[in-house]
Amino acid sequence: KAGVTQTPRYLIKTRGQQVTLSCSPISGHRSVSWYQQTPGQGLQFLFEYFSETQRNKGNFPGRFSGRQFSNSRSEMNVSTLELGDSALYLCASSLGLAELQETQYFGPGTRLLVL
Amino acid sequence: EDKVVQSPLSLVVHEGDTVTLNCSYEVTNFRSLLWYKQEKKAPTFLFMLTSSGIEKKSGRLSSILDKKELFSILNITATQTGDSAVYLCAVYGDDKIIFGKGTRLHILP
Repeated sequence: KAGVTQTPRYLIKTRGQQVTLSCSPISGHRSVSWYQQTPGQGLQFLFEYFSETQRNKGNFPGRFSGRQFSNSRSEMNVSTLELGDSALYLCASSLGLAELQETQYFGPGTRLLVL
Repeated sequence: EDKVVQSPLSLVVHEGDTVTLNCSYEVTNFRSLLWYKQEKKAPTFLFMLTSSGIEKKSGRLSSILDKKELFSILNITATQTGDSAVYLCAVYGDDKIIFGKGTRLHILP
């Protein structure tokens, strides 16, 4: 069974631009969660999508948004990029039956650098 | 404020030693605690703990949760160089998941 895939793997943007990251979950998984990982803050939860609806949300500003499609693929968008948005963005998928209480499988991540 | 604190932040031991990693938490409406291993890539799942006092075991790794004292430990016996990684503790509570900063474990041959 194929794992979680994320595209692109690497991205360089400049301040003020916007970016869209994509995540394809494991086949059969309906929940997709997004995380930001930085050396200073560690791994932080952004939001979770299930059945095309945002089910849970972390403490990030409104510049961070996402959506999920009917095939469970998810996209995350960051608008008006800031230098501090440079990070590894990880996506994780799970069956979604137990709302954040079940094993999540992580993708390889998208490394974003904001100049 | 919800938080997950891991200790120590880093640890260097020799191959064959036993290590204990700690995770304490203060999270509203605790639901479960998870341990992950992260090498130079995305985290991989180790254990999920929901009930207090029950030990989860997989080979040389084991973990236990104390819901009364709000902590968990991850134990690795007979360590090997392949165990070198960052070990992350995460707690699900109140509709979100919170990760600790991790313990960086380095095993010397």
